[in-house]
Amino acid sequence: NAGVTQTPKFQVLKTGQSMTLQCAQDMNHEYMSWYRQDPGMGLRLIHYSVGAGITDQGEVPNGYNVSRSTTEDFPLRLLSAAPSQTSVYFCASSYLTGNYNGYTFGSGTRLTVV
Amino acid sequence: GEDVEQSLFLSVREGDSSVINCTYTDSSSTYLYWYKQEPGAGLQLLTYIFSNMDMKQDQRLTVLLNKKDKHLSLRIADTQTGDSAIYFCAESAIGGSARQLTFGSGTQLTVLP
Repeated sequence: NAGVTQTPKFQVLKTGQSMTLQCAQDMNHEYMSWYRQDPGMGLRLIHYSVGAGITDQGEVPNGYNVSRSTTEDFPLRLLSAAPSQTSVYFCASSYLTGNYNGYTFGSGTRLTVV
Repeated sequence: GEDVEQSLFLSVREGDSSVINCTYTDSSSTYLYWYKQEPGAGLQLLTYIFSNMDMKQDQRLTVLLNKKDKHLSLRIADTQTGDSAIYFCAESAIGGSARQLTFGSGTQLTVLP
């Protein structure tokens, strides 16, 4: 049981490049989300999804796109990387109904934009 | 909107108790959580409490909730060096997506030998 898997773990991009951060979960969770973590700012929600085909914006969506074609996968796309997007990115998932035990987090992707 | 605040740093001696505090603003919060993040890792759920509870105890961890003051605390008894980490308080509320969590900025706990 892998839980939430994020790839890659580390990435360096040049300004203007695009890339996709991958997130996959094998727990049949309906809810998936992307956060970015910056020093002293906690976690800020980028985008989230409550099921396949449904996505919505969080607190800091600009510069990022998401899609949810399957229950398992929720990739995050950076359209044109900027130095302000240097951060650690976390994917998290949970059930929408029934017993709620909080989020399961991936181990993170550390992104540096130069 | 919702806001969750924590102090940034806490240092304690090994064997002492640690108390990490958190305040939140959303009076409709239904669940409140404590997560632990070790260096280079994701967040791990430590414990959570329903808003209709005052206290929850789980081995060395005690969570206290003062709903009137919107204050949440995490007490770690007999703190060990392995407890050194960042601790995040988070809350979720009814409305919109009930699964959205709002996180505090995290408290860096350092355990001194």
